[in-house]
Amino acid sequence: GAGVSQSPSNKVTEKGKDVELRCDPISGHTALYWYRQSLGQGLEFLIYFQGNSAPDKSGLPSDRFSAERTGGSVSTLTIQRTQQEDSAVYLCASSSPLTGVGGYTFGSGTRLTVV
Amino acid sequence: SQQGEEDPQALSIQEGENATMNCSYKTSINNLQWYRQNSGRGLVHLILIRSNEREKHSGRLRVTLDTSKKSSSLLITASRAADTASYFCAIQAGNQFYFGTGTSLTVIP
Repeated sequence: GAGVSQSPSNKVTEKGKDVELRCDPISGHTALYWYRQSLGQGLEFLIYFQGNSAPDKSGLPSDRFSAERTGGSVSTLTIQRTQQEDSAVYLCASSSPLTGVGGYTFGSGTRLTVV
Repeated sequence: SQQGEEDPQALSIQEGENATMNCSYKTSINNLQWYRQNSGRGLVHLILIRSNEREKHSGRLRVTLDTSKKSSSLLITASRAADTASYFCAIQAGNQFYFGTGTSLTVIP
């Protein structure tokens, strides 16, 4: 597609439920990043994929968070047993590895609210 | 372009020295953010400064913001070899981030 697509755009879930967030990167972008942003804060790095492998998972806040990427394209971020502190905007970005940060394209994000 | 621009593009200093990086931008902002990226890793958020703030400190980091000049600076004091990385300023508009081209900092032990 022309841009990075994320779905759903908004998700309200009850505490304790599992949620799955989807990111469809720009075709041909081999690098894919998940970040989250709480209100008034900067981006918090979660995980980075190069192709289907995740060389950097250091940002996942707990074992309730997991992500996968298949076919070098779509990625899903799964949060199990959601907690209220998981409420944030979850952003996905993709890039060609040659362009670096300046070549990031972000999706429009998923606003997750845990009630 | 809303993209920030940084200078210098590359900076090499001795451990213990201070490192200063500058960022200029063109649009009005609500806040300006600084990030660090080590090779092959994701961005790490360092500090966010709001448009009504002029200076902010976090550990060895000091950020200044001059909205009249549309510029910001990041100062790292008493640098360490572990500070070696690329540093980016970012402007946020909605859920889009506009990053500068970055300053590559090398701290020599």
